[in-house]
Amino acid sequence: QQPVQSPQAVILREGEDAVINCSSSKALYSVHWYRQKHGEAPVFLMILLKGGEQKGHEKISASFNEKKQQSSLYLTASQLSYSGTYFCGTSGSGNTGKLIFGQGTTLQVKP
Amino acid sequence: EAGVTQFPSHSVIEKGQTVTLRCDPISGHDNLYWYRRVMGKEIKFLLHFVKESKQDESGMPNNRFLAERTGGTYSTLKVQPAELEDSGVYFCASSQFGAEAFFGQGTRLTVV
Repeated sequence: QQPVQSPQAVILREGEDAVINCSSSKALYSVHWYRQKHGEAPVFLMILLKGGEQKGHEKISASFNEKKQQSSLYLTASQLSYSGTYFCGTSGSGNTGKLIFGQGTTLQVKP
Repeated sequence: EAGVTQFPSHSVIEKGQTVTLRCDPISGHDNLYWYRRVMGKEIKFLLHFVKESKQDESGMPNNRFLAERTGGTYSTLKVQPAELEDSGVYFCASSQFGAEAFFGQGTRLTVV
């Protein structure tokens, strides 16, 4: 079952904050966040494992609520380089590494 | 260290022709995955190799698609014969067990 991301698209000014949500109807083992710029490879941002942990990477952080089967990606003080499409990928209990991706959230940061 | 390499970067073929995509994973990565993104939609799983064995091929659309990973190194994905709906960007990713997957830049396939 494909996770659902919201919003589908976001337009920000530099320095503004954004939250991207990823929800699944199935129990999750892990959530993986990627960012893809047009014509480039999806770039790994972070993995969150079950246990409700929160992780940070510079001004990008994420949380994972196992009970609610959802994850959120937080982008603070956005920079132009944050523009791209963000995907969450989820894996179930088998943890084979196979990911089921959401439909993506397009983020555009303007000067 | 080299990343995941895919070849070719673009391919335009006519309906009914055959195309073979190649992926060179990061050295030492036993896990290799193929994904496809069609028309700006989600990235969809195609199949998963562990070394040379197919672990999961549940995402392969039909028997026109054949993936191989001889010797557990590089992998090929052949589409024969290609149909219009096969157009899209084919991504390969590799990982060590339990770790994050690294993606290649993809092969943009256009079937006309």
